[in-house]
Amino acid sequence: DSGVTQTPKHLITATGQRVTLRCSPRSGDLSVYWYQQSLDQGLQFLIQYYNGEERAKGNILERFSAQQFPDLHSELNLSSLELGDSALYFCASSKDYNYGYTFGSGTRLTVV
Amino acid sequence: KNEVEQSPQNLTAQEGEFITINCSYSVGISALHWLQQHPGGGIVSLFMLSSGKKKHGRLIATINIQEKHSSLHITASHPRDSAVYICATLLYNFNKFYFGSGTKLNVKP
Repeated sequence: DSGVTQTPKHLITATGQRVTLRCSPRSGDLSVYWYQQSLDQGLQFLIQYYNGEERAKGNILERFSAQQFPDLHSELNLSSLELGDSALYFCASSKDYNYGYTFGSGTRLTVV
Repeated sequence: KNEVEQSPQNLTAQEGEFITINCSYSVGISALHWLQQHPGGGIVSLFMLSSGKKKHGRLIATINIQEKHSSLHITASHPRDSAVYICATLLYNFNKFYFGSGTKLNVKP
């Protein structure tokens, strides 16, 4: 157990639907990062939150949004899902940029 | 955009061999990460480097900021080292991560 908890582990849903992925960071970590890994695009950075505020944004689609709550857990919301959104979604946490990162085990999303 | 190039893309080694994976990037960075992704999909952060060299067990990571190049070395490789190794860069303005395409390592007994 890395200390970063992601739920659910697997998710199958239909096109057009909306899903929410959840991440609980390691105790003491203030930063949460979201990544997408698809077969054709590899790993891509989506977004980072630090202590409740958005700090950095990567290749995140407008249909996707995220937030970090006061207890520091984070949720990634994916809406109007398309087949191409099928991927592994990873969350990682760290104390801040200059500290090591710990990854969660990922959520495998399949859009059918 | 910071292009991150890894080589080789695939690597097969015999148990016990010394392995080197290379990563080159095109613009200045604040840090470089080496990640290991197991066949089951889980990702482990191995190293975060901004200069010099770091060692953890049989793994050694080096970075040359002037040459924009990093290497990951595995000494006395073992079949359990079989995984995909990914290099990732964090740019100076802290708002972009770029990932290499990964090196798939297979260590045969």
